[in-house]
Amino acid sequence: GEDVEQSLFLSVREGDSSVINCTYTDSSSTYLYWYKQEPGAGLQLLTYIFSNMDMKQDQRLTVLLNKKDKHLSLRIADTQTGDSAIYFCAEPGEGWNTGKLIFGQGTTLQVKP
Amino acid sequence: DADVTQTPRNRITKTGKRIMLECSQTKGHDRMYWYRQDPGLGLRLIYYSFDVKDINKGEISDGYSVSRQAQAKFSLSLESAIPNQTALYFCATSDRGQGRETQYFGPGTRLLVL
Repeated sequence: GEDVEQSLFLSVREGDSSVINCTYTDSSSTYLYWYKQEPGAGLQLLTYIFSNMDMKQDQRLTVLLNKKDKHLSLRIADTQTGDSAIYFCAEPGEGWNTGKLIFGQGTTLQVKP
Repeated sequence: DADVTQTPRNRITKTGKRIMLECSQTKGHDRMYWYRQDPGLGLRLIYYSFDVKDINKGEISDGYSVSRQAQAKFSLSLESAIPNQTALYFCATSDRGQGRETQYFGPGTRLLVL
């Protein structure tokens, strides 16, 4: 079955870059997603990448996709204290048309002033 | 106003009690989901519904039931609560645009079973 793996914790200093990594198993995934969960809140879609792309940039966010290794990463440039949150990667479950998402365990990003 | 609301936001109950968590949405989406979140385990899907007449089990449905009362309402019940159901519960809705699934989450219900 599908599986999505992430490391659980990352700590960086304010102003540094953060890189959050994710591996997935379903090679047929059309889109891959990053969600952000701020303290006390639900998840919000942060960004996504289509499977025929290697990279997507959106302001301070850069998503890199290595389909061969089934590896996805999220880079946050100039990390701010407001970026402290839990970040989840997700892939479609059981194929792109089911509406289901499989989430990783979540990476807690701690940004130190 | 929030597009996806959950009630209650916090609940403490005792083992063996039946409780219901409610979810309402104003986004007009047909698809709705219930997840639970546990530290280090991420989100796991309990039940999902693609429309009022279509209810499906997720990966961890045992001990839970759901009711889709209307397009906008999807309730989760714990028939006889047990301590390992202590978790953070999220409702979500989704739409599909150009093959891309975007899920919209409620703020969560924190449940403690004593």
